Amino acid sequence: AQKVTQAQTEISVVEKEDVTLDCVYETRDTTYYLFWYKQPPSGELVFLIRRNSFDEQNEISGRYSWNFQKSTSSFNFTITASQVVDSAVYFCALGLNAGNNRKLIWGLGTSLAVNP
Amino acid sequence: DGGITQSPKYLFRKEGQNVTLSCEQNLNHDAMYWYRQDPGQGLRLIYYSQIVNDFQKGDIAEGYSVSREKKESFPLTVTSAQKNPTAFYLCASSIGRQLFYGYTFGSGTRLTVV
Repeated sequence: AQKVTQAQTEISVVEKEDVTLDCVYETRDTTYYLFWYKQPPSGELVFLIRRNSFDEQNEISGRYSWNFQKSTSSFNFTITASQVVDSAVYFCALGLNAGNNRKLIWGLGTSLAVNP
Repeated sequence: DGGITQSPKYLFRKEGQNVTLSCEQNLNHDAMYWYRQDPGQGLRLIYYSQIVNDFQKGDIAEGYSVSREKKESFPLTVTSAQKNPTAFYLCASSIGRQLFYGYTFGSGTRLTVV
């Protein structure tokens, strides 16, 4: 089965709190990509990060960090010191690129509300 | 600035009518995609095109049609055969066919049947 699970449907935090958005994926492919996108209220999905299956190094970009663990098939996203502008729906996606099977499998998204 | 332009932002359709959603990109991307987004269902792929004059069905193509006569344009027609067309429609593009490149999205069209 090929699947992405974002178990948290909605999260609400107070500004300056840290928050982690969970993403668990399923695939038997050995080569794949993982993505996070942000969808603010305006509707446009904004690319945040791409990680390939051979690179388990964690990444930090400002207040954002990502923890990729193949052992648990997880690609979690942490926002440190959250801000109201972080309020959005966040999607995790699994990209499969084997032969003709090129497709993005999307999670259902996590709606994050950061309250002042 | 380069990007994807979707129009209109809001669209209302009477039952039985066909409507066409516009998607234009000036990123010189080869591949373009149409997604449908419903509350609680995430994104579902309707059609995609990897080169001009070629397109493929996605997971929920029934009731939709597309064309790709120009690299920059990938319009989506929602036909009267689509029984539940009220949704948010997103167009995306990518540099090439490989998923490595990731997608650039437009700001969407919200279609409502009245």
